[in-house]
Amino acid sequence: EDKVVQSPLSLVVHEGDTVTLNCSYEVTNFRSLLWYKQEKKAPTFLFMLTSSGIEKKSGRLSSILDKKELFSILNITATQTGDSAIYLCAVELSSNTGKLIFGQGTTLQVKP
Amino acid sequence: ETGVTQTPRHLVMGMTNKKSLKCEQHLGHNAMYWYKQSAKKPLELMFVYNFKEQTENNSVPSRFSPECPNSSHLFLHLHTLQPEDSALYLCASSPVGVSYEQYFGPGTRLTVT
Repeated sequence: EDKVVQSPLSLVVHEGDTVTLNCSYEVTNFRSLLWYKQEKKAPTFLFMLTSSGIEKKSGRLSSILDKKELFSILNITATQTGDSAIYLCAVELSSNTGKLIFGQGTTLQVKP
Repeated sequence: ETGVTQTPRHLVMGMTNKKSLKCEQHLGHNAMYWYKQSAKKPLELMFVYNFKEQTENNSVPSRFSPECPNSSHLFLHLHTLQPEDSALYLCASSPVGVSYEQYFGPGTRLTVT
């Protein structure tokens, strides 16, 4: 059964801290790994990763994929209260059905 | 209006009621998705439609009935639901074959009493 597991499930940090969120997966027919940020309701897309070892970066957020060990990490440096959200990891399958397998999410709370 | 919109944003219904959720996208996409998000569970794909044709039904109970009359609109018809069906129902759209470019709507918070 295809599975995506995120850790930790929740995290509380203070502004300025650096956090690392983890995502491991076991799927057949891997195509890409995706990170989303969910504030309030609609998840918004952060990164898509397809190749091992190539870091994707957007401001204070960065992510990298290890296809040999089947995991990805999302780093947030110098956290701000606006980073408080649920961070979702998903794996896109190559079946062309549009199916994404999501992890449970990591709830991040950044305190002032 | 731009992006993906969903109505209603909140819905409370009894187990014998029939209601429908509506999703509309203004992005020119041809793939649309229904997801269920329950507390402390992964976001769960329910249905996928490509060019109005259903391509994925993730073993969803028949009390949930999707309808996709055109590439811009997606409905989820609900009848005889159970309290455990209470969840956030999210709609998304993307270009066909580019599922990583899914844009999500704000969701409908459904409570079944």
